[in-house]
Amino acid sequence: SAVISQKPSRDICQRGTSLTIQCQVDSQVTMMFWYRQQPGQSLTLIATANQGSEATYESGFVIDKFPISRPNLTFSTLTVSNMSPEDSSIYLCSVKGEENIQYFGAGTRLSVL
Amino acid sequence: SQKIEQNSEALNIQEGKTATLTCNYTNYSPAYLQWYRQDPGRGPVFLLLIRENEKEKRKERLKVTFDTTLKQSLFHITASQPADSATYLCALDITGGYQKVTFGTGTKLQVIP
Repeated sequence: SAVISQKPSRDICQRGTSLTIQCQVDSQVTMMFWYRQQPGQSLTLIATANQGSEATYESGFVIDKFPISRPNLTFSTLTVSNMSPEDSSIYLCSVKGEENIQYFGAGTRLSVL
Repeated sequence: SQKIEQNSEALNIQEGKTATLTCNYTNYSPAYLQWYRQDPGRGPVFLLLIRENEKEKRKERLKVTFDTTLKQSLFHITASQPADSATYLCALDITGGYQKVTFGTGTKLQVIP
């Protein structure tokens, strides 16, 4: 298993600003994943962050809106840029273990006014 | 198109009864199917995994079945307790551990004392 620390746990932001979410893992991992969970919805994968290379984005998500950094094997950040109220959501990072079991952080609850 | 469907309505059951949650999928051939529990304000926590060649898997009061012909998994909690109240998510891994998993929308379970 893996222990994942994510911060901030919540934030309230103004429209047009940006927020960077941090994710720290207690062990070295090749891939880290960023998900979005909108109210009442399922988890949607935003991107996969590999150390030393560009993140791989899922359909509907672009680097300009959600830039990701992966400076080492235990840390990643996701930035939500130029926010609008539609970006209000829970953002989660995860890593995968054996048999692709996902281990999640507690999430960041973002509200955009 | 590919879909993973779980009961969108909340499931309310009496303490001590067996809760049964359903996960149906279309246009997938999953190698693994996973079940997670999510409490409010927390990230999902892995519970059980069942492989495509397994019919049933048990862990304490939890039981999962997997019918690849019906394209359905059932998740049972026996002798349910109020502490079992949470949202339960199924997730499909279509490539046996090498790619992302795709999550269903989840079913909210409420166990009434």
